[in-house]
Order: sequence, then C-alpha cells, then structure tokens
Amino acid sequence: DAGITQSPRHKVTETGTPVTLRCHQTENHRYMYWYRQDPGHGLRLIHYSYGVKDTDKGEVSDGYSVSRSKTEDFLLTLESATSSQTSVYFCAISEPDSSGANVLTFGAGSRLTVL
Amino acid sequence: DAKTTQPTSMDCAEGRAANLPCNHSTISGNEYVYWYRQIHSQGPQYIIHGLKNNETNEMASLIITEDRKSSTLILPHATLRDTAVYYCIVRKGYDMRFGAGTRLTVKP
Repeated sequence: DAGITQSPRHKVTETGTPVTLRCHQTENHRYMYWYRQDPGHGLRLIHYSYGVKDTDKGEVSDGYSVSRSKTEDFLLTLESATSSQTSVYFCAISEPDSSGANVLTFGAGSRLTVL
Repeated sequence: DAKTTQPTSMDCAEGRAANLPCNHSTISGNEYVYWYRQIHSQGPQYIIHGLKNNETNEMASLIITEDRKSSTLILPHATLRDTAVYYCIVRKGYDMRFGAGTRLTVKP
C-alpha cells in the first residue's frame, strides 16, 4: 500500500468535544484530501490541500478546519463535534502528473462516533 | 466540470465481462475520466483513467466514445472479489468529487 496512515482508526467522543484526525503520508505528494462517507451520501469532499499551508474548501466544509504545516501531515479538526459529524473519514493523497492527470490514493479510513 | 450519470446497480455473472457505463455528455476537452471502486468499507481504489484514447491496464479496460460523451469500464473476467461500488469521475481540477456510483454485484 502507498504510505498513508490515518489515526486514530476508531474514535468515540461526546458532543461538544474537539477532535483531530491525522493523515500522514510518506510519498511526498503535494495534494492531500479529507472526505467523509455516510450511508446514502457517498464520498463528500471536506477540505483539500495543495501544499504546505495551502488549503481549500470542498463540498461540506462547515464545522471542519484543516491544517498542513508539513508536507507529510494533514490534520482535520472538529472544533466542537456534533452527532451529525458521526461518519467514516477518508484521507487521500495525489501528485498530478505532467499531463495534468490526478490519481488519488486513499487511506484505510477513520471511523468517528459522536455521542 | 462535467456531471456524470451512472446506473445505480448492476449484476454480473462470475467469469463474464462486466461492462459499467458512465454518461458525461458535458465533458470538456481537457477533462479526464477516472474510475475508482470501493469494496465494502475500505478506502476507494483507483482503477484506470483516460482522456481520449481507450486505455487498458492489469485491472480493466476503459472505452471512451469518440465524442467523449460517455465511457465504459470493462472488467474482462469478473470475480466475486470485484463486487463493489464503482465510481466514474470527470474532472480537470484537483478537488476530486465522487458521485453515488454503481453498485456491481458479481454472482456465482
């Protein structure tokens, strides 16, 4: 597998608590992504990063913030978790090729339950 | 970016070819067609991508029509392990967005 590690893999927390999910890569890829997946909604893009300190919003960014202080790490933070943020979170990485094609490689996912 | 349309679900007999269609009638000239699949609750897996020409790799073939308005992913000899949700994405930017995909069930 490509060098992507998500942590924690499973977390149970209570409403109102802060939560940080970490995505770590060893591939030196420029792009990193956070998705969430819920039954009936498929994969939805939360935020993505195109370099250190360079991030942009995706489709469902409300309630989430991200940070990328190093190429290898992309952090997703829920400042005050809500039950609607119970989901499976996937990190992905990519490095567009010279033709502009952009193939993503995904991590194994982090299952978050907010009680 | 182009919108894609895929059937919600399909069945295929084990050992037969699985042909998964994707309609992308508003595709623009520099947008790639990508296919991914997701087996159960695992992270999505890249299968293949193409721009204009047909492509083949060890997993599948991608047939893109001459007008580029649709494409077909072909799994030449489907196995039970190919049961998954298959996503067709058309994108030129880097914020890759997934639709609902096609749930392919390979039956013995």
